Amino acid sequence: GAVVSQHPSRVICKSGTSVKIECRSLDFQATTMFWYRQFPKQSLMLMATSNEGSKATYEQGVEKDKFLINHASLTLSTLTVTSAHPEDSSFYICSAITGEDGYTFGSGTRLTVV
Amino acid sequence: LAKTTQPISMDSYEGQEVNITCSHNNIATNDYITWYQQFPSQGPRFIIQGYKTKVTNEVASLFIPADRKSSTLSLPRVSLSDTAVYYCLVGEHNQGGKLIFGQGTELSVKP
Repeated sequence: GAVVSQHPSRVICKSGTSVKIECRSLDFQATTMFWYRQFPKQSLMLMATSNEGSKATYEQGVEKDKFLINHASLTLSTLTVTSAHPEDSSFYICSAITGEDGYTFGSGTRLTVV
Repeated sequence: LAKTTQPISMDSYEGQEVNITCSHNNIATNDYITWYQQFPSQGPRFIIQGYKTKVTNEVASLFIPADRKSSTLSLPRVSLSDTAVYYCLVGEHNQGGKLIFGQGTELSVKP
């Protein structure tokens, strides 16, 4: 089936720095990708919808200047957490629409800001 | 997007059949019902999808009554490795729309 590769799986960064998370579709073209955030013991919360070649659509309450999304090609979407702070520590997950298979999720990135 | 309601948690023992019910009273005509499984520190994984009646695959069955206002995910003979969170989602699958996750059901399988 379709595979979405997400990197890194874990990252620790200092407060105030920026972190980039990559999401790649390995054997299909992903026109649309989604980014989620998940806090411990909570459900996935949709942050934004990433469309290839256009600006991302952010959900209400998500700061677009803090969570920069770039979808420059049909196989790659990136999420950059800018000026990260401890409250941004979370599990970030990407997802892509795969046509017949529906939706496929990446393995997630555990971000810890210290 | 139809809202879903599931039990927050369930306990079971190895070898038992587990049924997780999801309520979706406001399901629309074009909506499908999809279930995902999520292990700790991993992304969700598709389990099964259906529109009406019964769907079965190699890992689960999905029962949907005629009014489609609820659905039941059935896991036959669970093992310890089935311990996970199970999410029920309702929407127009494969239409490019965003997936909104509800609270999910945390299933704990004990030996």
